[in-house]
Amino acid sequence: SAVISQKPSRDICQRGTSLTIQCQVDSQVTMMFWYRQQPGQSLTLIATANQGSEATYESGFVIDKFPISRPNLTFSTLTVSNMSPEDSSIYLCSVVGGMVGETQYFGPGTRLLVL
Amino acid sequence: QKEVEQDPGPLSVPEGAIVSLNCTYSNSAFQYFMWYRQYSRKGPELLMYTYSSGNKEDGRFTAQVDKSSKYISLFIRDSQPSDSATYLCAMSANDYKLSFGAGTTVTVRA
Repeated sequence: SAVISQKPSRDICQRGTSLTIQCQVDSQVTMMFWYRQQPGQSLTLIATANQGSEATYESGFVIDKFPISRPNLTFSTLTVSNMSPEDSSIYLCSVVGGMVGETQYFGPGTRLLVL
Repeated sequence: QKEVEQDPGPLSVPEGAIVSLNCTYSNSAFQYFMWYRQYSRKGPELLMYTYSSGNKEDGRFTAQVDKSSKYISLFIRDSQPSDSATYLCAMSANDYKLSFGAGTTVTVRA
């Protein structure tokens, strides 16, 4: 399985500011995703991070709020922009290695608290 | 109606008991089914993965999929206190995107 790290592991931010979360994988992977897990809730897919092109966002998520970069096959960033307390969540990246249906692995998550 | 329904529990069992977890889904396009375990303050850890109807066993864990009924289950035999966690079912079609259940919180009492 892939080894995935995220930075920062946690942060406390003021409303109106932005935070960039990094996801690093120890091997090249085909697909990278960003999920959000709000307090007491399950995981919701934010977007697919596409290497070399714009991310594909799910319904309810927009690029202006959650810009994503994926400059290569092992690294991606998610920015949470103009934060409000409602953005307080755990943000997780996940990866898929290869063919359709191949298992998906998750990073440890970034805990974000917006005051 | 949510795409994936999972009873959030909580579920409390004595050590050694069988833990039974299940999810139902509405999207007939789902072909891949997973169970993740999530400890407090950690990312989800893949437990079981299957893509066909029937049973799959891995140690103390058995995953069942019934596509005709749109129903999946996870059984944990001889449960241990270290099995105390939140268990998430997840599923996808041919696009890798996972749809998760709400998660069931399980406590195994010593």
